[in-house]
Amino acid sequence: EVQLVESGGGLVKPGGSLRLSCAASGFTFNNAWMSWVRQAPGKGLEWVGRIKSKTDGGTADYAVPVKGRFTISRDDSKNTLFLQMNSLKTEDTAVYYCSTDFYFMGRGVIQHFDDWGQGTLVTVFS
Amino acid sequence: QSVLTQPPSASGTPGQRVTISCSGSTSNIGSNTVNWYQQLPGTAPKLLIFGNNQRPSGVPDRFSGSKSGTSASLAISGLQSEDETDYYCAAWDDSLNGPVFGPGTKVTVL
Repeated sequence: EVQLVESGGGLVKPGGSLRLSCAASGFTFNNAWMSWVRQAPGKGLEWVGRIKSKTDGGTADYAVPVKGRFTISRDDSKNTLFLQMNSLKTEDTAVYYCSTDFYFMGRGVIQHFDDWGQGTLVTVFS
Repeated sequence: QSVLTQPPSASGTPGQRVTISCSGSTSNIGSNTVNWYQQLPGTAPKLLIFGNNQRPSGVPDRFSGSKSGTSASLAISGLQSEDETDYYCAAWDDSLNGPVFGPGTKVTVL
């Protein structure tokens, strides 16, 4: 059974930093592409970014609102995904979910988030 | 403001069929496959439909998806009380080089 467990959320002031972790089990983590998706209180879902497997290059891509401030990394030896968040803004307040990310490019892109963690709440306030 | 458009709400009585629409553009739905996620209150989203019309293992067959051009829809047949929750459509967007979500539709069982 796939399990994703996020941790590291909390209260932080604008301009501050926070590092989220996502412990994965139940699947071959080093082969998986992983994403972070967030949800502001009472709002919809927003993709934050993803990291490819090392076999596929290990690079990360980010949504425009977080590019240059957030960094996604992974430690395959510990089956753990990270989200380093710097220069935090009040609009970054959200529940942050990690998820497995299926991606295939054929005639079009087939992409979906298969499994999700329970989420961790990040609150940015002064 | 979301890239994909969904109605904020939909409703039906138990046993009825409810349909939720999702409208996009040629850079997302028009070019790539559509997914639907169900999010029960206080829980993480769950993949409900992927690849326009495929159900993951364990999803009841009363949930179905379809796509035509730059629009997609989710249908719930034989509506049940436990279906009362939020539903989000999503698709890869070629222009943004990332997945985009609709704003979500809250389904109410009357």
